[in-house]
Amino acid sequence: QVQLVQSGVEVKKPGASVMVSCKTSGYPFRKYGISWMRQAPGQGLEWMGWISDYDGKTSYAQKHQARLTMTSDTSTNTAYMELRSLTSDDTAVYYCARWNLLVSTGDYWGQGTLVIVSS
Amino acid sequence: QSALTQPASVSGSPGQSITISCTGASNDVGNYNLVSWYQQHPGQAPKFLIYEATRRPSGVSNRFSASKSGNTASLTISGLQAEDEADYYCCSFAGSNTWVFGAGTQLTV
Repeated sequence: QVQLVQSGVEVKKPGASVMVSCKTSGYPFRKYGISWMRQAPGQGLEWMGWISDYDGKTSYAQKHQARLTMTSDTSTNTAYMELRSLTSDDTAVYYCARWNLLVSTGDYWGQGTLVIVSS
Repeated sequence: QSALTQPASVSGSPGQSITISCTGASNDVGNYNLVSWYQQHPGQAPKFLIYEATRRPSGVSNRFSASKSGNTASLTISGLQAEDEADYYCCSFAGSNTWVFGAGTQLTV
């Protein structure tokens, strides 16, 4: 069955970087993409960016473009999201989702990774 | 890209129907039939309910239906059940492989 398993809780200081991983299984990795979303405490979902697992092409929300890098490793079927220059506003649960580009939908989601930014 | 507009909260009694609206603009909801809807229970990851504005994937209850007109998409839940109490989010393609979510609607049953 399709599974996306994310890495564990991260606690970072302001100014640091964080990398969250999303290991996928149960489907042909290169036939889909991965989108990353985040959800600040008590807030709604925010789409951050997308990566094609076929050719590594990326697109990022304008708000995050300067600090965000998404990559994927087709040998391990794992996607990565790195966010740099963290501030307390980046404290959130970060989700990856298998993104079916044809229907523009996240049909399977990871369990979420809590990132806490605190001095 | 601004978040799509959803009502902050809606409520209904068991057995009733409710509708959640999702209003965007001519460069997202209004320009593409690529709206999806998600249900999120507290402490859980979102669950996919609707794709391509009106289509329901297998395994999702037929009590969930959706429509779109112009810049507004809507999700209707009929025969409300206690388990439907959750947050609901719409999401639209916004061009150039970018997407935008709605602010979310809290449903109280």
